Amino acid sequence: KNEVEQSPQNLTAQEGEFITINCSYSVGISALHWLQQHPGGGIVSLFMLSSGKKKHGRLIATINIQEKHSSLHITASHPRDSAVYICAVIGNQFYFGTGTSLTVIP
Amino acid sequence: NAGVTQTPKFRVLKTGQSMTLLCAQDMNHEYMYWYRQDPGMGLRLIHYSVGEGTTAKGEVPDGYNVSRLKKQNFLLGLESAAPSQTSVYFCASSLTAYQPQHFGDGTRLSIL
Repeated sequence: KNEVEQSPQNLTAQEGEFITINCSYSVGISALHWLQQHPGGGIVSLFMLSSGKKKHGRLIATINIQEKHSSLHITASHPRDSAVYICAVIGNQFYFGTGTSLTVIP
Repeated sequence: NAGVTQTPKFRVLKTGQSMTLLCAQDMNHEYMYWYRQDPGMGLRLIHYSVGEGTTAKGEVPDGYNVSRLKKQNFLLGLESAAPSQTSVYFCASSLTAYQPQHFGDGTRLSIL
């Protein structure tokens, strides 16, 4: 049983495309965390949100608590966005999705 | 500003050996976490700490022990390593449970 499901698992896009990565969860949460893991392995926090929408540069994260769903959008994608994007939720425990592997082709 | 530092970065052990992984943070964070990451399974929480002198079990605590004697350090111990503990281990820290976590670069551990 996976408390956090991400889709798609793999995504290939052309440079400049608008990208959406989805995260659905089945548990009650107090916050949701989007992380980025580059091929070298390092993990970076992108957003933590509990309602509404947050924007940082070309990245936008939204969450709908009622629908138990969050999306991560990347506008004007670039090859340096190629990474694994991980959704994590904080409920009575921490639950992580298995990640979405994004490849942006020049 | 170093952030979160993990040592060592790589290690190979034989079954039954013991070792300690060290995590150090210089951000005065209260919360610290140890995760393991395995192919196809994502990150899983092993143990965490909500402050100096405290520890708590996560999702997969068996076979591991932790200590947080100083606020800036969080140690993960394997008393008797098993091949199933071959993984990449990440340490993270955060100011509160609801603040973004800062991750170390990971430790790649292989147990033969």
